[in-house]
Amino acid sequence: KNEVEQSPQNLTAQEGEFITINCSYSVGISALHWLQQHPGGGIVSLFMLSSGKKKHGRLIATINIQEKHSSLHITASHPRDSAVYICAVNTGTASKLTFGTGTRLQVTL
Amino acid sequence: GAVVSQHPSWVICKSGTSVKIECRSLDFQATTMFWYRQFPKQSLMLMATSNEGSKATYEQGVEKDKFLINHASLTLSTLTVTSAHPEDSSFYICSAKSGTSRFFYEQYFGPGTRLTVT
Repeated sequence: KNEVEQSPQNLTAQEGEFITINCSYSVGISALHWLQQHPGGGIVSLFMLSSGKKKHGRLIATINIQEKHSSLHITASHPRDSAVYICAVNTGTASKLTFGTGTRLQVTL
Repeated sequence: GAVVSQHPSWVICKSGTSVKIECRSLDFQATTMFWYRQFPKQSLMLMATSNEGSKATYEQGVEKDKFLINHASLTLSTLTVTSAHPEDSSFYICSAKSGTSRFFYEQYFGPGTRLTVT
């Protein structure tokens, strides 16, 4: 079993829909990252959080340390949001990351 | 925001040759850089961690003689794939951590380099 699990693995949504991607982890963490990888491969760091909630534009990330769970929400989804979304965690004080397997999101018109 | 670049963005080489990939932090000093590899439809796997001026720390299963990492300055780390073989074909991504970062977990990713070995 992976230390970091994401669900769903694949997600198709229509433009405008509210999207939620989940990340559960089985280890103690010090921080959690949400990353976005477009078809070309480049990775963009969306959020780095260790508690609570963060918002950036249409994106919202929450984390519940006690439940070892994080969610990434996309409001008013758009085709340009189509990408792979990856959850990754830092354990302890180490900078190195452990990655989830990613959620492939396709937003259609 | 912090920007990390990689060069080249893609490279094709013949089996048996060596390929060097550069990772640069453009607007900050990166005391630590990480090198990842990603095979198609799979997640990123950490290959090694490099700190400026010291030897890289390799993850289990990664051959240090095959994947040479040099972090000679605070803005540049290089990964050299020596005697490349088709199974080394992959997407290589670096990330960089600022020495002045407020949070130890802050790191910024490069755009990646796609290596194809024929």
